[in-house]
Amino acid sequence: AQSVTQPDIHITVSEGASLELRCNYSYGATPYLFWYVQSPGQGLQLLLKYFSGDTLVQGIKGFEAEFKRSQSSFNLRKPSVHWSDAAEYFCAVGNTNAGKSTFGDGTTLTVKP
Amino acid sequence: DADVTQTPRNRITKTGKRIMLECSQTKGHDRMYWYRQDPGLGLRLIYYSFDVKDINKGEISDGYSVSRQAQAKFSLSLESAIPNQTALYFCATSDFTSGADTQYFGPGTRLTVL
Repeated sequence: AQSVTQPDIHITVSEGASLELRCNYSYGATPYLFWYVQSPGQGLQLLLKYFSGDTLVQGIKGFEAEFKRSQSSFNLRKPSVHWSDAAEYFCAVGNTNAGKSTFGDGTTLTVKP
Repeated sequence: DADVTQTPRNRITKTGKRIMLECSQTKGHDRMYWYRQDPGLGLRLIYYSFDVKDINKGEISDGYSVSRQAQAKFSLSLESAIPNQTALYFCATSDFTSGADTQYFGPGTRLTVL
């Protein structure tokens, strides 16, 4: 069975600083991987996804993530955080056999002025 | 207009009442999901449906039921609401034709059971 771990429950960064949110997955083959963002009072929105090919994927709002098979990781990065990036971020692993995705427990990002 | 809508957006009810949360989508997706979100517990899957005739229990289905009235509509019912069902509920859809379960979420329903 697939699973996702987001080791950091809460991260605080200063505005303008770089950001990395960690995601580790467990899956028996090359997975589909996703990052979603939930802004306060809203539903989840897809940031980016990895299906195959280039292991560095670009998403919306200046985010990127890198798939590292050897580390079973799919960490989310942004070079310079903006106050509007304060939100909860969810990593998810998708089943390549037409099954449903599994979500991590989320990481809450606080941005200090 | 939003692709995935949920009604109501907020609801306060009393213990023992029956309540229905509704979800509609205009994305034409076959797959629909119901999740609940509680602080510190992430998203937990209640029920999911891969098409109109295929409904499956998720990890926390006790106390809930669903109805898939059409491809576009998926309702969640609490037969007899209890206070620990107070939570934020999300509906989502996905289309597997691209080969992966990319999900699209509604805005959520905040339910309070007194």
